[in-house]
Parts: sequence; structure tokens; C-alpha cells
Amino acid sequence: DAKTTQPPSMDCAEGRAANLPCNHSTISGNEYVYWYRQIHSQGPQYIIHGLKNNETNEMASLIITEDRKSSTLILPHATLRDTAVYYCIVRVAGMNYGGSQGNLIFGKGTKLSVKP
Amino acid sequence: NAGVTQTPKFQVLKTGQSMTLQCAQDMNHEYMSWYRQDPGMGLRLIHYSVGAGITDQGEVPNGYNVSRSTTEDFPLRLLSAAPSQTSVYFCASSYGGDHTDTQYFGPGTRLTVL
Repeated sequence: DAKTTQPPSMDCAEGRAANLPCNHSTISGNEYVYWYRQIHSQGPQYIIHGLKNNETNEMASLIITEDRKSSTLILPHATLRDTAVYYCIVRVAGMNYGGSQGNLIFGKGTKLSVKP
Repeated sequence: NAGVTQTPKFQVLKTGQSMTLQCAQDMNHEYMSWYRQDPGMGLRLIHYSVGAGITDQGEVPNGYNVSRSTTEDFPLRLLSAAPSQTSVYFCASSYGGDHTDTQYFGPGTRLTVL
């Protein structure tokens, strides 16, 4: 089962910031928080990931709480093309997966609708 | 680089038929995996491989076989198709080296079993 909890859907006005929350209260110390998104009918696309510090790249920002039990993905200026299902995933990352620790376990995600 | 490629894009089978879904990557990635996605659901892991000659089962492996004879290719075989295997299938790959090993997904194969 997915280790994360996300709202099933959210709306955002075009040009405004989209803040997508994720709860991962059982996260372990060696697990990272990853965000992927899936635009209709396409394969999922990596957005960003982090361990405990806030992260920013050209697509988004990731804010992780100090206790690491929740995080927020921020799309600073949402466009219509950002309409997608957003998945928050926790996983172990690193060399020698060995077992299933490195696999991505997808939940149902949050369907973000960006409206004009 | 072509990235992760999947063939075919669409396929219709009759119950009991067999087929192979192809997946290839040209990024020299060690880790490859297969997911299926049913309508309104997230992706579920079928099988994965951490390198050539090494495969393991995911969450929903029944009815599917895989092999990994080369780094580049990771085919998924349906031995005897059933209507319950109607789904969209995604292949993914990643370097597998460290925490930056983000996974790259193919465009998907849409399979219908009648």
C-alpha cells in the first residue's frame, strides 16, 4: 500500500500558485519524498524529490516539514498544461536495491485542475 | 537519446492469446520495471529488474513473465491473456545509482483483452 495520503482533487486558477499537500506520517529516516505527475494518458513524469531540506528546481518547489511527516509541492505559477494527476511517493533511494525498497509505490494521487 | 520506448502503442487480444510487450531504453540504466494502470487508479508494479539477468516480482505479477537478457531490453510476456489484463502498461527505467536516480517512463501500451 502507498505510504502517503493526498487529497483526491484540487482546483487552481491559472497564474496562481498551486500548493499540493501530502501526508507521510510513517516515513523512515532513509526514505525520500518524490513527486511525479501524469498528464492525461501519458507516462508519469518526475518533478522533484527531497530528504529533509526544501528543494527547488525549474518545475517546482518542495517544502518538507521539520518532522518530515508531511510535505507540500508548490507550482509557483500554474498553467493549463499543469493539469494532471500528481503523485507523492516515499521510497528508499541508493545503491543496490536488492529487494523492493527502491520501487515506486503509487497511490491514487491528487488530480489538479488548472482553470482559466 | 530516444529514452524509454514501448511497442506496440495499442493492442487488442482475444482471451487465451499470448503476446509480448516490448520495452527498450538507450540510457544504460540498470533498473527497469513494468507497471499497469487501470482506469481511475494509480500505477501498480508488476515486475522489476535491477540489472541484466536479475528480475523480481512486484505487487501484481500473476499472469505475467519477464526476462532481462540485456541492459537495454525488458519485455513483458502475457502467457494466456484474460479480460482482467485489459489495462495500460508502462515501462520505466532508472540509473539506480543514488538518490538522484529518477525513473523515466515510456509512453505506454494500451491493451484490450476481449
